[in-house]
Amino acid sequence: QKEVEQDPGPLSVPEGAIVSLNCTYSNSAFQYFMWYRQYSRKGPELLMYTYSSGNKEDGRFTAQVDKSSKYISLFIRDSQPSDSATYLCASLSGGYNKLIFGAGTRLAVHP
Amino acid sequence: GAVVSQHPSWVICKSGTSVKIECRSLDFQATTMFWYRQFPKQSLMLMATSNEGSKATYEQGVEKDKFLINHASLTLSTLTVTSAHPEDSSFYICSARTGTSDRFSPLHFGNGTRLTVT
Repeated sequence: QKEVEQDPGPLSVPEGAIVSLNCTYSNSAFQYFMWYRQYSRKGPELLMYTYSSGNKEDGRFTAQVDKSSKYISLFIRDSQPSDSATYLCASLSGGYNKLIFGAGTRLAVHP
Repeated sequence: GAVVSQHPSWVICKSGTSVKIECRSLDFQATTMFWYRQFPKQSLMLMATSNEGSKATYEQGVEKDKFLINHASLTLSTLTVTSAHPEDSSFYICSARTGTSDRFSPLHFGNGTRLTVT
């Protein structure tokens, strides 16, 4: 079992839709959870990070962590074509150095 | 924000040659940098942790003699792929953190280097 599981998609939505991206993780010791966005042929760009359970909002993006179910979510409101990218969830393993990534979900927002 | 610069962005080399990739933290000092590898449509896999002034720590299955890492200063780490073969063709991405390893700080990534070995 992978430590962080993520459906690779692809996910295709119309512009303006609410997008829900999800991951599950297996290690109950994980405390920090991150979402990265990666455009084609580019490095990942940090979108948001959260600590433990709860929600965090930044503009159109909301990150949510439910530690009881080991579930991580990223919501994108009013999605735009420029949001088309691969979204990677990640968590720290064994201290603060080792980042474990999900497989990434490819999102396409069409006009 | 924290900026990590990686160079070159792409390189093509012949089988058997060596290739050096540079990773720089532009506006912060990084005692620790990380090298990842990403195959097409797959996620990032950590290859090694680069520590300034000491030897790198390699993940299981990564050949340290093939992937030489040097972290000579607080703003520069290099990855050298030695005696490259076509199976080494991949997307290599470095990252760095702004804080120290004893507390949390998010990782920031460079834009990657696409290596093609012919």
